[in-house]
Amino acid sequence: EPEVTQTPSHQVTQMGQEVILRCVPISNHLYFYWYRQILGQKVEFLVSFYNNEISEKSEIFDDQFSVERPDGSNFTLKIRSTKLEDSAMYFCASSGFYGHEQFFGPGTRLTVL
Amino acid sequence: KNEVEQSPQNLTAQEGEFITINCSYSVGISALHWLQQHPGGGIVSLFMLSSGKKKHGRLIATINIQEKHSSLHITASHPRDSAVYICAVRFYWGQFYFGTGTSLTVIP
Repeated sequence: EPEVTQTPSHQVTQMGQEVILRCVPISNHLYFYWYRQILGQKVEFLVSFYNNEISEKSEIFDDQFSVERPDGSNFTLKIRSTKLEDSAMYFCASSGFYGHEQFFGPGTRLTVL
Repeated sequence: KNEVEQSPQNLTAQEGEFITINCSYSVGISALHWLQQHPGGGIVSLFMLSSGKKKHGRLIATINIQEKHSSLHITASHPRDSAVYICAVRFYWGQFYFGTGTSLTVIP
C-alpha cells in the first residue's frame, strides 16, 4: 500500500541553524501539507501546496519557513534559522484531490538546542 | 473566532462499550476530518466528512452542518482502539484547525 515517508525521523540541531525536512508524498497525489505538533499540544497547520505553489499558509508559517518540491517526488520544509520554539514533531501529508482524505507521514521530530 | 472543541478530553471505557467523541466548531467549514493518533505519534485519517454519515467497520462518523457539530462513534470498543482521536476542520478560506484531541483508553 502506498505511503507517505519522511526523513529524517529525528533531527537535532543548534539554534540558528538551517534544517530541511524531507517528505516523499504518495506518487499520484497533487496536494501536499505540512503540520507541526509541539510536545503535548495540538496539531497545527503550517502550509498547503499545489501545482508548485503555496495554496494556504498559517500565521506560524513566517519568513523563516519555506517549502519546495525540488523534483517529482520530494516535498521539503526548510526552516532558515531555527529557534528553540521550533522544536516539535513535523508531519507531512498528501491527498489526491482537494479536500479529500489526507495520508500522513510518520513525522520528523525536530529538537533545537 | 476559529475554534474547534472536542469533548471529552479523556475517556476510559471497558472493552465492548459504545463510545462517542464530540466535536464542535465555530464557523462554516468545507470539510471535517477525524484522525487517530497512535501512542507512537503516527496519524491516520479515519474519515473526511462534509455532510451526513460515514461508516467504516466499527467506526461511525456523523456531521450536522446546521448545528456545527460532529460525532465519532466506536462500537464494541477494543483495547487496540486506545489512541488520541482528533477532529480537524477546514474552514471555507482553506486553513485547517485541529481540536486538542480526545485520549481514549479501552480497558480489557
